[in-house]
Amino acid sequence: DAGVIQSPRHEVTEMGQEVTLRCKPISGHDYLFWYRQTMMRGLELLIYFNNNVPIDDSGMPEDRFSAKMPNASFSTLKIQPSEPRDSAVYFCASSRTSGRNEQFFGPGTRLTVL
Amino acid sequence: GNSVTQMEGPVTLSEEAFLTINCTYTATGYPSLFWYVQYPGEGLQLLLKATKADDKGSNKGFEATYRKETTSFHLEKGSVQVSDSAVYFCALSETAGNEKLTFGTGTRLTIIP
Repeated sequence: DAGVIQSPRHEVTEMGQEVTLRCKPISGHDYLFWYRQTMMRGLELLIYFNNNVPIDDSGMPEDRFSAKMPNASFSTLKIQPSEPRDSAVYFCASSRTSGRNEQFFGPGTRLTVL
Repeated sequence: GNSVTQMEGPVTLSEEAFLTINCTYTATGYPSLFWYVQYPGEGLQLLLKATKADDKGSNKGFEATYRKETTSFHLEKGSVQVSDSAVYFCALSETAGNEKLTFGTGTRLTIIP
């Protein structure tokens, strides 16, 4: 089975531009998580969905960030406008309601905002 | 609220040395406990877990025991290899039926030959 798929793997953009990160969770998983990882702040949970519904977005840094999950097999994280401090690796993870809490992570998108 | 505290890194060891990475937690209820590992350039992956007190999780020579009395879940390995170089994250589950995890800050481990 394919794991969590993220695209693009690398993104370089200029300050002020819109950035869209994409994620395809593992088929059959009903939870989807977006994380951000930086050297300074470590791994941060931004938002997570259950059955395509956002459950907790308290980790979203500010209104420039938005996330959607239009269906069970696709989610986006959008930053508009982007700023240099948004540079980080963004991970998507999914899991299946089972009581086992095992999250499966994608390979990440490395975002650089110049 | 729930929280996880890991020992500060980085940790550097020689090959075949004994490894301990400390992890303590604060939680309400009875969380499950996890160790995730992140190899360079990759996402996190589950290394081992324990779901109740005194359970021992093990995988790839790594072990951790769920100690409720000390609220700890320390990661150990008897003889590390260069291939174990990675960042290790301790984590706990939030509540039953909720798949959200609370992660520690991570401990970077480097093994030198």
